[in-house]
Amino acid sequence: AQSVSQHNHHVILSEAASLELGCNYSYGGTVNLFWYVQYPGQHLQLLLKYFSGDPLVKGIKGFEAEFIKSKFSFNLRKPSVQWSDTAEYFCAFSYSSASKIIFGSGTRLSIRP
Amino acid sequence: NAGVTQTPKFQVLKTGQSMTLQCAQDMNHNSMYWYRQDPGMGLRLIYYSASEGTTDKGEVPNGYNVSRLNKREFSLRLESAAPSQTSVYFCASSPGQGHNYGYTFGSGTRLTVV
Repeated sequence: AQSVSQHNHHVILSEAASLELGCNYSYGGTVNLFWYVQYPGQHLQLLLKYFSGDPLVKGIKGFEAEFIKSKFSFNLRKPSVQWSDTAEYFCAFSYSSASKIIFGSGTRLSIRP
Repeated sequence: NAGVTQTPKFQVLKTGQSMTLQCAQDMNHNSMYWYRQDPGMGLRLIYYSASEGTTDKGEVPNGYNVSRLNKREFSLRLESAAPSQTSVYFCASSPGQGHNYGYTFGSGTRLTVV
């Protein structure tokens, strides 16, 4: 079955540290890829998405993600995190014959001020 | 612009009670979804409605029913609540099939079954 793996359940960083959250999907065909963010007590919001074109995608709040097709990966990066980035991050993907988006289990990011 | 509105925000039920979670969107979206979120398990799809008049099961439909009342509204019903249904429930919508658009989520309903 198609699935998404997020390698880290909980990541703890200090402010100004660089961030990379891993994401791998299992599907051999063309995919659409998403990162969602859920701030404490809030609903999920779209951070960025990749449908086609440049595999380096820039999103809101300084986040970016790189699609590497050969590795089935879509890792999320930010050069310098802030305390306000404390949240849970969900990687997700879909494909043309799917009627839904498939979500990973999430990575909780905690930032030490 | 309200987006996706869910009611109630919080609910406590006794085992065996029934309730309906309401969801409405004002973006003229065709597709709507119900997910549950549990710690360490991410979001799991319960039911979805690709378009008005259609509903389909997701990964974890047992114990739930849905109604796509009209294009705006998609409700989730628990007929006989069980402690295993304690969770946070999110409704989402998208203009068409989610793979082409991404979802807009509601703010969630935190349900506790005792």
